[in-house]
Amino acid sequence: AQKITQTQPGMFVQEKEAVTLDCTYDTSDQSYGLFWYKQPSSGEMIFLIYQGSYDEQNATEGRYSLNFQKARKSANLVISASQLGDSAMYFCAMREAYNNNDMRFGAGTRLTVKP
Amino acid sequence: DGGITQSPKYLFRKEGQNVTLSCEQNLNHDAMYWYRQDPGQGLRLIYYSQIVNDFQKGDIAEGYSVSREKKESFPLTVTSAQKNPTAFYLCASSTGLAGDTQYFGPGTRLTVL
Repeated sequence: AQKITQTQPGMFVQEKEAVTLDCTYDTSDQSYGLFWYKQPSSGEMIFLIYQGSYDEQNATEGRYSLNFQKARKSANLVISASQLGDSAMYFCAMREAYNNNDMRFGAGTRLTVKP
Repeated sequence: DGGITQSPKYLFRKEGQNVTLSCEQNLNHDAMYWYRQDPGQGLRLIYYSQIVNDFQKGDIAEGYSVSREKKESFPLTVTSAQKNPTAFYLCASSTGLAGDTQYFGPGTRLTVL
């Protein structure tokens, strides 16, 4: 079965600095997708970035980048130049290609950006 | 604007009552999903639907029911059989194609009194 592990329940970062949120996953499938979502206090899940298992380059979206290390089964999210508005819960998720409707989520990391 | 709406935002229920949570999308997505989120935890899949008039159970379907009579709508009923229904409920949709992203609504917070 799929499993997503986020080992950092909470993280602090100084405004304008970069921060890395860890995510490791477990799958025996060769084809899968990895996702990161942001959940502010309002509750809505906001899609940030996607990485396919066959993508050779790390995904980037603005200030977000995904440090994908396939052999280590890790998909860490890097946020550059942190802003106060980045304070939120961040969830890593994975979906295997053979079951496109079964997306598994980690327990999340609460990021707090300090001024 | 295209998006997913959920209503109500907050819902209070007495024990023994059934309640229905609304989810509507105008993204023309085929697939829709219901998740439950408990404090300090990730999301768990309740039900999903890949096409109208068809839906499948997720990991925690017991005590819940759904219908998919229209492409745009995927209501979730929390029945009295659900022993611990207090939680945050999130609806999502996607095209259903491999690798596609799921997009979420704003959520409904259900509290059983």
